[in-house]
Amino acid sequence: AQKITQTQPGMFVQEKEAVTLDCTYDTSDQSYGLFWYKQPSSGEMIFLIYQGSYDEQNATEGRYSLNFQKARKSANLVISASQLGDSAMYFCAMRDSANQAGTALIFGKGTTLSVSS
Amino acid sequence: DGGITQSPKYLFRKEGQNVTLSCEQNLNHDAMYWYRQDPGQGLRLIYYSQIVNDFQKGDIAEGYSVSREKKESFPLTVTSAQKNPTAFYLCASSRINQETQYFGPGTRLLVL
Repeated sequence: AQKITQTQPGMFVQEKEAVTLDCTYDTSDQSYGLFWYKQPSSGEMIFLIYQGSYDEQNATEGRYSLNFQKARKSANLVISASQLGDSAMYFCAMRDSANQAGTALIFGKGTTLSVSS
Repeated sequence: DGGITQSPKYLFRKEGQNVTLSCEQNLNHDAMYWYRQDPGQGLRLIYYSQIVNDFQKGDIAEGYSVSREKKESFPLTVTSAQKNPTAFYLCASSRINQETQYFGPGTRLLVL
């Protein structure tokens, strides 16, 4: 069965520092996609970044980059130059191929990031 | 602006009562999803729909029902059979064959 593991319940970082949020996954699929979402205290899930299993380059979106290590089955999110507004819960997710349509997502339990000034 | 709306923001349910959560999208997405989030947890799939008049159960469908009469709308009913309904409910949508899902602002359901 597919699984997403986020081992860091909470992370603390100062403004302008970089931070890495860990995510490991388990799948027997050859083709899969990995996602990171941000959930601020308001509750809405905000899509940040996507990495396909066949993508040769690590995905980047502004201050977000995904450190994809396929052999280790890890997809860590790197946030450069942290800002106070980055304080939120962050979820790693992947497509659930066991689901009939194969389009729903399975999520990790999340990591709470706190950025201080 | 294109997006997903959910209403109400907060919903209170009495024992034995059915309640319906609304989800509407104007992104012209074919697929829609309902997830449940419990405190300190990730999201779990309740139901999903890829086309109008068709929907499939997710991992935790018991005690819930859905309909998909229009492409834009995917309401979720929490029935009295759902014994532990207190949670945060998130609706999402995506294009068919595109994996990225976009979420609404959520509905928080509380039991009186």
